[in-house]
Amino acid sequence: EPEVTQTPSHQVTQMGQEVILRCVPISNHLYFYWYRQILGQKVEFLVSFYNNEISEKSEIFDDQFSVERPDGSNFTLKIRSTKLEDSAMYFCASSDFGQETQYFGPGTRLLVL
Amino acid sequence: AQKITQTQPGMFVQEKEAVTLDCTYDTSDPSYGLFWYKQPSSGEMIFLIYQGSYDQQNATEGRYSLNFQKARKSANLVISASQLGDSAMYFCAMREGTGGTSYGKLTFGQGTILTVHP
Repeated sequence: EPEVTQTPSHQVTQMGQEVILRCVPISNHLYFYWYRQILGQKVEFLVSFYNNEISEKSEIFDDQFSVERPDGSNFTLKIRSTKLEDSAMYFCASSDFGQETQYFGPGTRLLVL
Repeated sequence: AQKITQTQPGMFVQEKEAVTLDCTYDTSDPSYGLFWYKQPSSGEMIFLIYQGSYDQQNATEGRYSLNFQKARKSANLVISASQLGDSAMYFCAMREGTGGTSYGKLTFGQGTILTVHP
């Protein structure tokens, strides 16, 4: 069964460093999303992406964040200068045209020291 | 105001019994979708069930059913015949209408931790 994959599964970085989180959405899906979950809290929407541009972003998704679909399969989230409060689980999700369900990847646990 | 409210921080159930996890939502949009996801201790988000606002029937997927009461704005998840593997965090989520399209951000509740006892 097709699934969303994410790499790395865990990443530890120093405050101020740039990180890139990678996702491979389900191959025929058209809509892509990033969410984050701070430990013990609810899942929060960051950004949605369709047709090579951002469809919607939350107020969390400030200038430090960017997304890109560099090729036909990958979807990346870049955090330019990480802060301690960026420590969280980051989930990528994808959905197909006309389908309601968003399928989530296994997540990347980011720890900023 | 919270768009998705899950009032049960934790629930306990005996193996093989049924359990209901509560979810209420708030929206003025006539077109919306309601979802339940399961998050085991390993952290992944597993889609369980979906209910559209215009669906006449309550959604069912195997042992999962969604008790959709539109007038009360509730979308409770019912798990029948609980298994030990059902122990996890359960999140209710809503996608509000986006101009008639089916895509759009999900707004999640705080979650309910379900523990199934043998």
